[in-house]
Amino acid sequence: ETGVTQSPTHLIKTRGQQVTLRCSSQSGHNTVSWYQQALGQGPQFIFQYYREEENGRGNFPPRFSGLQFPNYSSELNVNALELDDSALYLCASSLVGSVHEQYFGPGTRLTVT
Amino acid sequence: DQQVKQNSPSLSVQEGRISILNCDYTNSMFDYFLWYKKYPAEGPTFLISISSIKDKNEDGRFTVFLNKSAKHLSLHIVPSQPGDSAVYFCAARGNFGNEKLTFGTGTRLTIIP
Repeated sequence: ETGVTQSPTHLIKTRGQQVTLRCSSQSGHNTVSWYQQALGQGPQFIFQYYREEENGRGNFPPRFSGLQFPNYSSELNVNALELDDSALYLCASSLVGSVHEQYFGPGTRLTVT
Repeated sequence: DQQVKQNSPSLSVQEGRISILNCDYTNSMFDYFLWYKKYPAEGPTFLISISSIKDKNEDGRFTVFLNKSAKHLSLHIVPSQPGDSAVYFCAARGNFGNEKLTFGTGTRLTIIP
């Protein structure tokens, strides 16, 4: 069984640029959620995708967008990067309607300068 | 609005003793609670969970207690081991139609040999 993987591991971008982060779900999982974890904080829910549709969104502006593909992998896109977007971005996969636990990837550390 | 709170940023416990981590929540719509453990450079790892219809769940050295009237839960680890040193996050899930988790800010547990 393959776990949740994310790429890249680290990324440095300049304010105003755009970034795409990628996530491969755990085998058999059909739901993917994205979280932002700022330094010293707990993960904050960005949004969730189920069957390639957005299924819930947290308090994040529209410049945060996502995609889920037929193989359940996912992308997080952030446009017009701001300094406050510097954080660890976590992807989590789960099987909707089955267990409640979400399985997290190791995250992508994004630094915006 | 911090709906899930972990008021102790850090906790140190002697090896072999009991570790007790606390978590409070404010939203009555939460129906499922989870504890995650996080090591540096890794994503959170699911530890144990409890449904709101129960008041205790046990898994080996880990026990979670839920007091719904007080909107409080705690994680007990006994006996504590050096490998338990990590950041522990309390998370809650509500009946909102998706798998969104609301996390606390975490407690750093250090087990002293």
